[in-house]
Amino acid sequence: SAVISQKPSRDICQRGTSLTIQCQVDSQVTMMFWYRQQPGQSLTLIATANQGSEATYESGFVIDKFPISRPNLTFSTLTVSNMSPEDSSIYLCSVWTVGKDEQYFGPGTRLTVT
Amino acid sequence: AQTVTQSQPEMSVQEAETVTLSCTYDTSENNYYLFWYKQPPSRQMILVIRQEAYKQQNATENRFSVNFQKAAKSFSLKISDSQLGDTAMYFCAFMKQGSGAQKLVFGQGTRLTINP
Repeated sequence: SAVISQKPSRDICQRGTSLTIQCQVDSQVTMMFWYRQQPGQSLTLIATANQGSEATYESGFVIDKFPISRPNLTFSTLTVSNMSPEDSSIYLCSVWTVGKDEQYFGPGTRLTVT
Repeated sequence: AQTVTQSQPEMSVQEAETVTLSCTYDTSENNYYLFWYKQPPSRQMILVIRQEAYKQQNATENRFSVNFQKAAKSFSLKISDSQLGDTAMYFCAFMKQGSGAQKLVFGQGTRLTINP
């Protein structure tokens, strides 16, 4: 399976600010995903990061709040904009590769908004 | 839309015992995958086992096995000879099979504690 890293691993931010989370994979992958896990909850997909085109967002998530970039096949960023305490969550990236039909996850970024 | 339900919020067993975690799902799709992921306190999501819907044979990975009942839309995970390191949140997940990547739909999770 791919080795996936995320930066930062955790952060404490003030409301109204923005944080950019990075996801790096050690090999080229077809698709990258961003999930949110609110405290004590399951994972919910935010968006699919497409290389060379705009991300595809799930219902309830918008580009202005969660802009995503994917400049190449091994890297993606998720920005959480104009943060509020409700954005306190774990944010995880995952990757999918053609022929594998499995998703592997990064270690996650724990965000706390005060 | 697909839904995944895990009806056991928490479970607790003694070390070396066998434990079964339940999962049911709802879908109109015929071709799909089912997964069990483990999330220990480190929060890393670890793929435990996967099952292709078209396969009748239940998947097995060492001490982990599944009981896949397609007609009943049931997908339970059995952990044999449980170990302290099995303590974690366990999530059941569904993924459509199709051209290109598909999103994972997760259940609510079951918190499993293995006691010494």
